[in-house]
Amino acid sequence: DVKVTQSSRYLVKRTGEKVFLECVQDMDHENMFWYRQDPGLGLRLIYFSYDVKMKEKGDIPEGYSVSREKKERFSLILESASTNQTSMYLCASRPETFTFEETQYFGPGTRLLVL
Amino acid sequence: AQSVTQLDSQVPVFEEAPVELRCNYSSSVSVYLFWYVQYPNQGLQLLLKYLSGSTLVKGINGFEAEFNKSQTSFHLRKPSVHISDTAEYFCAVSEDYGGSQGNLIFGKGTKLSVKP
Repeated sequence: DVKVTQSSRYLVKRTGEKVFLECVQDMDHENMFWYRQDPGLGLRLIYFSYDVKMKEKGDIPEGYSVSREKKERFSLILESASTNQTSMYLCASRPETFTFEETQYFGPGTRLLVL
Repeated sequence: AQSVTQLDSQVPVFEEAPVELRCNYSSSVSVYLFWYVQYPNQGLQLLLKYLSGSTLVKGINGFEAEFNKSQTSFHLRKPSVHISDTAEYFCAVSEDYGGSQGNLIFGKGTKLSVKP
């Protein structure tokens, strides 16, 4: 089974702190994704990566950055956390295929509270 | 641009009743369609997907969905729900063409609440 793990299930940080959310997948997938999930808004794509050291902005990249130094690990960074970044953060991975029919595999999520 | 509309934000039903969760999409090209389920405090897992072929797709846990190209719909159904089906359900679409990056566009979710 594909396994996507996220470093923390729950996280509490203060405004202005630098926050790192880590995601690791064990299936050698090329593609990895970071989403945030908010009630009534569904999932919104923050950043994604097609390969090591490659990154692309999603729909809501403002206030976030990412790092992918190794294929299995994709980190989301909040440079200076703000209260409007309180949310559930979901990581996903997907194998590379030409026609995108493969599903994405999701981690359990990190619920971040910024005070 | 693609978009996905889930018409109901909440659907309450009694146990053993049938249920339909509605999903409509807009896209100018061929699409792949997905339904995901999220149980409380968990990530998303795939219920079923439509890629091509038969428009009736069967998934896990007794769910099925029907792709209707003319209506641009992909409604999810289950003939008899169980308490354990209580969860949030997300419809998603990705476009099938070379210029697309194949990213998923999600609907806002439907919370299914099954009552005894």
